[in-house]
Amino acid sequence: AQSVTQLDSQVPVFEEAPVELRCNYSSSVSVYLFWYVQYPNQGLQLLLKYLSGSTLVKGINGFEAEFNKSQTSFHLRKPSVHISDTAEYFCAVSGLQGAQKLVFGQGTRLTINP
Amino acid sequence: DAGITQSPRYKITETGRQVTLMCHQTWSHSYMFWYRQDLGHGLRLIYYSAAADITDKGEVPDGYVVSRSKTENFPLTLESATRSQTSVYFCASSVSGTGVNQPQHFGDGTRLSIL
Repeated sequence: AQSVTQLDSQVPVFEEAPVELRCNYSSSVSVYLFWYVQYPNQGLQLLLKYLSGSTLVKGINGFEAEFNKSQTSFHLRKPSVHISDTAEYFCAVSGLQGAQKLVFGQGTRLTINP
Repeated sequence: DAGITQSPRYKITETGRQVTLMCHQTWSHSYMFWYRQDLGHGLRLIYYSAAADITDKGEVPDGYVVSRSKTENFPLTLESATRSQTSVYFCASSVSGTGVNQPQHFGDGTRLSIL
């Protein structure tokens, strides 16, 4: 079984500042890793995913994440945030086989202040 | 590109009533999923389906029933609604679960309130 812990429930930052949203996971088998974003009253959109290969993954809207196997982490970063990045962010893992069901973290609410 | 559509978007009902949430996707994706989203829990899997007529339980299946007679539809039924089932429900779909990973695509959700 897998589990995901997002270490911050809320992260306030100022516009144009850098941000890091932290995610740790636990699994006895290899996993795929994902970050999803949820804007108000909408569903989830995929930001980026790690399947294999390079541990630094680039996604949409200028976000990137780094997979660290030894620390079982998959932190999300953006060098300069915009007001439009205000949203809820979810880290998720799935197994490699079968339905590849997603296990989500609790979510981090990112608030960008002007 | 209609994608994945959930209906209704909002629903208010009373305890003990039966309510069905609809999910329709136009991609012919083989896998479909139902999640519930609650504060502090993120999203939790209720049921999923690998293909028409094949369904399986997720993490929190109690009190819910699903069916999948057609590939494009995956309705979720609360047979006797309880207040603890007040939540936002999301449907998702993906191409295939085995081998090459394809991300899940999500609908916009149904906000369900049970009084």
